[in-house]
Amino acid sequence: QQKVQQSPESLIVPEGGMASLNCTSSDRNVDYFWWYRQHSGKSPKMLMSIFSNGEKEEGRFTVHLNKASLHTSLHIRDSQPSDSALYLCAASDNAGAKLTFGGGTRLTVRP
Amino acid sequence: GALVYQYPRRTICKSGTSMRMECQAVGFQATSVAWYRQSPQKTFELIALSTVNSAIKYEQNFTQEKFPISHPNLSFSSMTVLNAYLEDRGLYLCGAREANTEVFFGKGTRLTVV
Repeated sequence: QQKVQQSPESLIVPEGGMASLNCTSSDRNVDYFWWYRQHSGKSPKMLMSIFSNGEKEEGRFTVHLNKASLHTSLHIRDSQPSDSALYLCAASDNAGAKLTFGGGTRLTVRP
Repeated sequence: GALVYQYPRRTICKSGTSMRMECQAVGFQATSVAWYRQSPQKTFELIALSTVNSAIKYEQNFTQEKFPISHPNLSFSSMTVLNAYLEDRGLYLCGAREANTEVFFGKGTRLTVV
């Protein structure tokens, strides 16, 4: 079983709607969580990272982290068709470049 | 800003031959470099992690004999896929990081084996 689990595997939301993506790590040594977005045929680009309990907002994107349960979620409000992509959650247990990726959530935003 | 240049972007090699890919970090010191592979329909798997002044650590199912990596300084790393076969095809990514920053990824090298 993967150490980083993402749900749902795929998600369809209407344009202007809210998309909510979940991610949980089973590795208790994890300290850092990262959310990446990968458009088809491209490399992943970091959206947001979170290290502390609580919430972090940047524009239409909000990330929550509960360190006790090692659960993070990404919420995209006012979703746009350009947000359609594979969203990858990754976790790291130190300051190195080693990330463990989840299986991803494929988001489709319908116009 | 911080960037990672990865090349080549795409490569096609014959089954049983080898190919090398390189990553150049610009604007920061790549103290830690990780190489990943995204096989078709799969997520990213870590191949190995290289940290300056430490031995390169390979993940299970990946070996130095198959994927030799070089990380000679704080701005450059390379990885070779030796004796590539069909199962080695996919998108290879290098990710580099300076302590306490995000991981910057190159644009990837897409390997096709024919």
